Amino acid sequence: QKEVEQDPGPLSVPEGAIVSLNCTYSNSAFQYFMWYRQYSRKGPELLMYTYSSGNKEDGRFTAQVDKSSKYISLFIRDSQPSDSATYLCAMSAGGGNQFYFGTGTSLTVIP
Amino acid sequence: GAVVSQHPSWVICKSGTSVKIECRSLDFQATTMFWYRQFPKQSLMLMATSNEGSKATYEQGVEKDKFLINHASLTLSTLTVTSAHPEDSSFYICSPTSGSSSYNEQFFGPGTRLTVL
Repeated sequence: QKEVEQDPGPLSVPEGAIVSLNCTYSNSAFQYFMWYRQYSRKGPELLMYTYSSGNKEDGRFTAQVDKSSKYISLFIRDSQPSDSATYLCAMSAGGGNQFYFGTGTSLTVIP
Repeated sequence: GAVVSQHPSWVICKSGTSVKIECRSLDFQATTMFWYRQFPKQSLMLMATSNEGSKATYEQGVEKDKFLINHASLTLSTLTVTSAHPEDSSFYICSPTSGSSSYNEQFFGPGTRLTVL
């Protein structure tokens, strides 16, 4: 079983739609959860960072962590064509431990 | 976020040649550098971890004699792919961290796309 599972998509939505991206994980020691956006041929860009369970909101982006279910989500409201990218989830137990990444979900927002 | 640069951004080379990729942290001192490899439609795979002034620690399955990592300063790390072959064609991404961080966040360089003919 992989440490982190993420549906690779591709996911295609119309402009203005709400997008839901998800990852599941198996290691209960994970405490730090991140979402990255990666445009084609570019390095990942940190979008959201969450510690432990709960929600975090930043503009059109909301990250949710449910540690009891080992499930994290990223919601994008009022999606824009510029949101078209691959979204990677990542997590770590912290304290210098290795980060584990999902395979990434490819998102296309159609104008 | 942290400012990280990589050079070159794209390189094409012949099989058997060596390629050096540079990673610079521009606005902080990187005591630790992570090097990742990403194949098309796949996630990032950690290749090695290096601490400034020390030898790198390689992940299982990564040949240390093929992927030479130098981390001689707090702002520069290099990855040299020696005797490159077509199967080494990939997207290589560095991720520096500073000693003051607790590895709770990671920032990445823009990546270097290597194509070996």
